[in-house]
Amino acid sequence: ETGVTQSPTHLIKTRGQQVTLRCSSQSGHNTVSWYQQALGQGPQFIFQYYREEENGRGNFPPRFSGLQFPNYSSELNVNALELDDSALYLCATRASSGKEQETQYFGPGTRLLVL
Amino acid sequence: KQEVTQIPAALSVPEGENLVLNCSFTDSAIYNLQWFRQDPGKGLTSLLLIQSSQREQTSGRLNASLDKSSGRSTLYIAASQPGDSATYLCAVKGGSYIPTFGRGTSLIVHP
Repeated sequence: ETGVTQSPTHLIKTRGQQVTLRCSSQSGHNTVSWYQQALGQGPQFIFQYYREEENGRGNFPPRFSGLQFPNYSSELNVNALELDDSALYLCATRASSGKEQETQYFGPGTRLLVL
Repeated sequence: KQEVTQIPAALSVPEGENLVLNCSFTDSAIYNLQWFRQDPGKGLTSLLLIQSSQREQTSGRLNASLDKSSGRSTLYIAASQPGDSATYLCAVKGGSYIPTFGRGTSLIVHP
């Protein structure tokens, strides 16, 4: 078990709604990345936050946005939900320097179903 | 654009067999390659990380090799056990430091 937690564990929404997913960072980790994993696929990188600033983004539209807070916890917000947004959303945290900076620690994920 | 392919997609073996999982990538200009394990409906657990300058890494019954020139990595699992049943994913990180994942190999080890 890592020290990374995510909430909620499961969520059901309808098309057009908005959703906020949350992630708490492992102690000392100031970098967080969010991923979308559709069924049977590998995780797709959404974006990364370092010290409350977005510093990397994958091929996702602007309706996917995020926040990172001073305690390094973070949120993923998705507006105008579409059916294809149904997936497992994973966050991963890591240190920004030192020996451990290459290793990401993943949370258990939030399973989102859009109807 | 980096593309990562994992073969086979699924594997079912009896306990005790030695296994080889394959990962291939199209752009050899990588920063590192990482193997992960994912249990059903759960997050990912890092198994082995190989830097671009390294050829292999070992941890217990696991050994991962990297051949950048051919765009390939293999994960070798010795003496497989039912507890090894999971999906194994490889992720390649390039110059942008954004990781590209394969779709994974789903492994079942039956007693």
